[in-house]
Amino acid sequence: DARVTQTPRHKVTEMGQEVTMRCQPILGHNTVFWYRQTMMQGLELLAYFRNRAPLDDSGMPKDRFSAEMPDATLATLKIQPSEPRDSAVYFCASGLKRDRGNHGYTFGSGTRLTVV
Amino acid sequence: DAKTTQPNSMESNEEEPVHLPCNHSTISGTDYIHWYRQLPSQGPEYVIHGLTSNVNNRMASLAIAEDRKSSTLILHRATLRDAAVYYCILSWEYGNKLVFGAGTILRVKS
Repeated sequence: DARVTQTPRHKVTEMGQEVTMRCQPILGHNTVFWYRQTMMQGLELLAYFRNRAPLDDSGMPKDRFSAEMPDATLATLKIQPSEPRDSAVYFCASGLKRDRGNHGYTFGSGTRLTVV
Repeated sequence: DAKTTQPNSMESNEEEPVHLPCNHSTISGTDYIHWYRQLPSQGPEYVIHGLTSNVNNRMASLAIAEDRKSSTLILHRATLRDAAVYYCILSWEYGNKLVFGAGTILRVKS
């Protein structure tokens, strides 16, 4: 089965440091999402892209977070500077926007971020 | 985004059918009903989706009320591996964003 690959799987960093999380969407998928999950807030949509163009990043703190798709095989989520409240599991998902016959979005295994 | 309401938790016996309800009284005509589940320590996983008609796939069945204000995810024979959080989500046409709620925690007893 095709997979969404996220790296790193785990990241521990000190407050104030820059953190970059990477996602390799499934080849051919034109829609990519970034979600964050915490016990308190559940799954929150941070941003999503269609054909590499950002469609909605309203869920993302703009002052410290940025999301990009340098090419169709890579999506990145950066936090600079990181804060302890950013500790969470970050999921990437990809899918194919089409008219019919789809199978839903595929999620990666997530990056568990701990900011100390 | 239209809202869904699900029970916080449900319990089932192994090898018995499970019916997971979802209310979505403010659903619009173009909203699709999606179900995802999240197993412990994993990312969400697509289960099934539909618009108006009932749907079946290898994982589950989706029964949609005639007025579309509610739906039910049916697991025909629950196994211990089905223990997960199940999310019912509305989304305007496939390919648009999915906004997750709290979901239903399904516990399966052996």
